[in-house]
Amino acid sequence: EAGVAQSPRYKIIEKRQSVAFWCNPISGHATLYWYQQILGQGPKLLIQFQNNGVVDDSQLPKDRFSAERLKGVDSTLKIQPAKLEDSAVYLCASSLTRLAGEITYNEQFFGPGTRLTVL
Amino acid sequence: RKEVEQDPGPFNVPEGATVAFNCTYSNSASQSFFWYRQDCRKEPKLLMSVYSSGNEDGRFTAQLNRASQYISLLIRDSKLSDSATYLCVVPNTGGFKTIFGAGTRLFVKA
Repeated sequence: EAGVAQSPRYKIIEKRQSVAFWCNPISGHATLYWYQQILGQGPKLLIQFQNNGVVDDSQLPKDRFSAERLKGVDSTLKIQPAKLEDSAVYLCASSLTRLAGEITYNEQFFGPGTRLTVL
Repeated sequence: RKEVEQDPGPFNVPEGATVAFNCTYSNSASQSFFWYRQDCRKEPKLLMSVYSSGNEDGRFTAQLNRASQYISLLIRDSKLSDSATYLCVVPNTGGFKTIFGAGTRLFVKA
C-alpha cells in the first residue's frame, strides 16, 4: 500500500516570498492533516480536513497560511508571505477515521515532510 | 495544565535496561491514545494505540490510568535501535483533533 506522499522534500526561500506544499494521502483516507514541526518540539496541528471540509483550523495563521483540499483527495498548503519563524518541517498525515461506539479510531500515517528554510 | 505533557528527558539508558515514559493529559473525556516514534529528521511513525486499559506488543507496553489521567510507555530490554523521540498523542473530546506532546528523547547506549 502506498504511503502519504509529499513534495517538495526541501525548500529554501527568502522571507516575504511565497511557497506551496503538496500532499497526496493514502487512498481511501478521508481525514487529512497538516502539521508544523519546529526543531525540538512536537508536531503542531495547522489544519484538519474531513473529505474536502475543514474540521479544525484554529491554529492556522490565516493572514499568511492557506490550505485547500479540492475533491477530497490531494491537498496544498501555501504560505504567503513567508517569515523567518516559518522555518520548520511541514508534515502531512492521513487517517481512516472510524467511529465504533464511543471511541473514534483515527491512527494517523505521516508523509516524509517538507523541510522549509526561510532566509 | 497543558493539554498533553510528557517527561522532558532525555533518558540515557544502557542496552538491556527497562525504561518508562509518562504522558499526562487534561481532557478526561479522551477515549483513544497513541504513542509515536520519531527518528532524527524522519516523520513520526505509529508505535502503539491505546483504547482501553493498555496494550502490549513485544517489548513495548502502554498503560492507561484514567483516574490520574496519564498514559505510560514501558520499553523492556532496550536496544540501540530504540534510540528515538517518543511522542504521546491525545485526541480532544470527540476525537477529531489530535494533540501531540513535545516528545521524550531516548538514548540507548552500548
